[in-house]
Amino acid sequence: AQKITQTQPGMFVQEKEAVTLDCTYDTSDPSYGLFWYKQPSSGEMIFLIYQGSYDQQNATEGRYSLNFQKARKSANLVISASQLGDSAMYFCAMRGIRSNDYKLSFGAGTTVTVRA
Amino acid sequence: ETGVTQSPTHLIKTRGQQVTLRCSSQSGHNTVSWYQQALGQGPQFIFQYYREEENGRGNFPPRFSGLQFPNYSSELNVNALELDDSALYLCASTPGGGLGNSPLHFGNGTRLTVT
Repeated sequence: AQKITQTQPGMFVQEKEAVTLDCTYDTSDPSYGLFWYKQPSSGEMIFLIYQGSYDQQNATEGRYSLNFQKARKSANLVISASQLGDSAMYFCAMRGIRSNDYKLSFGAGTTVTVRA
Repeated sequence: ETGVTQSPTHLIKTRGQQVTLRCSSQSGHNTVSWYQQALGQGPQFIFQYYREEENGRGNFPPRFSGLQFPNYSSELNVNALELDDSALYLCASTPGGGLGNSPLHFGNGTRLTVT
């Protein structure tokens, strides 16, 4: 079984500043993948970034970076240079990497509000 | 490249009725999965279809059923609707069976309200 915990229900950040969203996970799978998604008020889930459990380096995608600490079972998302369009709900999710493991398990999400 | 499209965007049904939600997968994606997202919560996996067969299912009762068609589009059917079925239903597609590091590409969802 997999469990994702996001302890920050909501966060405020000033435009152009960086914000870190916390994500911890629990799994018995030796190999797994971690994903972050953004959900604006429109409802669509937008894929942001992926980190594999055996990846040697932390993943980065533009202004998004993932602070992966395997021993602590944490995969925090860092958004640099926040923009007003970053205001949304952010979800951490994971999936085991096995032949019969399909589902993504999501956390409860963190709402980010960017202030001008 | 056309993304994942879902219809309808909103739907209101009465308890006990049946509903069908539709999804067209992103071009080139042969795997479709469905998620239920209650208000203020993360999405919960319902099931996944790969090459027209269900190949994974979450903890949802049999009244939640689905289909995938040869063009990889999909339907989610819910019978005997209950008030707790009120949620945003998200469809996602991915290539290659939905395994490993393949991210899911989601549609905008269908907002179902059961009264």
